[in-house]
Amino acid sequence: QQPVQSPQAVILREGEDAVINCSSSKALYSVHWYRQKHGEAPVFLMILLKGGEQKGHEKISASFNEKKQQSSLYLTASQLSYSGTYFCGTESMDSNYQLIWGAGTKLIIKP
Amino acid sequence: GAVVSQHPSRVICKSGTSVKIECRSLDFQATTMFWYRQFPKQSLMLMATSNEGSKATYEQGVEKDKFLINHASLTLSTLTVTSAHPEDSSFYICSARGTGGQKANYGYTFGSGTRLTVV
Repeated sequence: QQPVQSPQAVILREGEDAVINCSSSKALYSVHWYRQKHGEAPVFLMILLKGGEQKGHEKISASFNEKKQQSSLYLTASQLSYSGTYFCGTESMDSNYQLIWGAGTKLIIKP
Repeated sequence: GAVVSQHPSRVICKSGTSVKIECRSLDFQATTMFWYRQFPKQSLMLMATSNEGSKATYEQGVEKDKFLINHASLTLSTLTVTSAHPEDSSFYICSARGTGGQKANYGYTFGSGTRLTVV
């Protein structure tokens, strides 16, 4: 079952912060986050494993709440280069550890 | 880091012809390669999982005879769209998971994608 991402889209001014959420009805083994720019393939940002963890990547970080079966991606002081569509992907025993993709969150950063 | 090379990046073909898309893992061995299709403004749709030396596993609704997958070596997987029709026009992407270290640190590496247009 596809994880639910929210919001579907968000428009920010450069320098503002954003949070993208990803939730699942399944017990998760891991959550992946990717960014895809128009006309390009997705690029891996980070992976979070069960047990709950937080990770950071430049000004982009994420958390994984295993109990709530949800993950959040935090973008702070957004830059124009952060524009794109963000996808979460989840792995669970139910999916035989196959990555199931969310529908994506489109992020537009304006100068 | 893990790199997957995908060719061609763009192809325009006539209806009824076949098109082959190649994906190579450049600095690691990809025992499993995933093939996706993506329509504009939509998420990735898994078409099939390609395993080296064995038959690919296709997702429900994906025609095996139309989308031929060959994974002949640990570094090369190919997708052939046979008898292409305009409705096959889409963005096709392959991906594999990096290896060589803790799996926890490796996500999926994607090829650059192939934009197929069937006229």
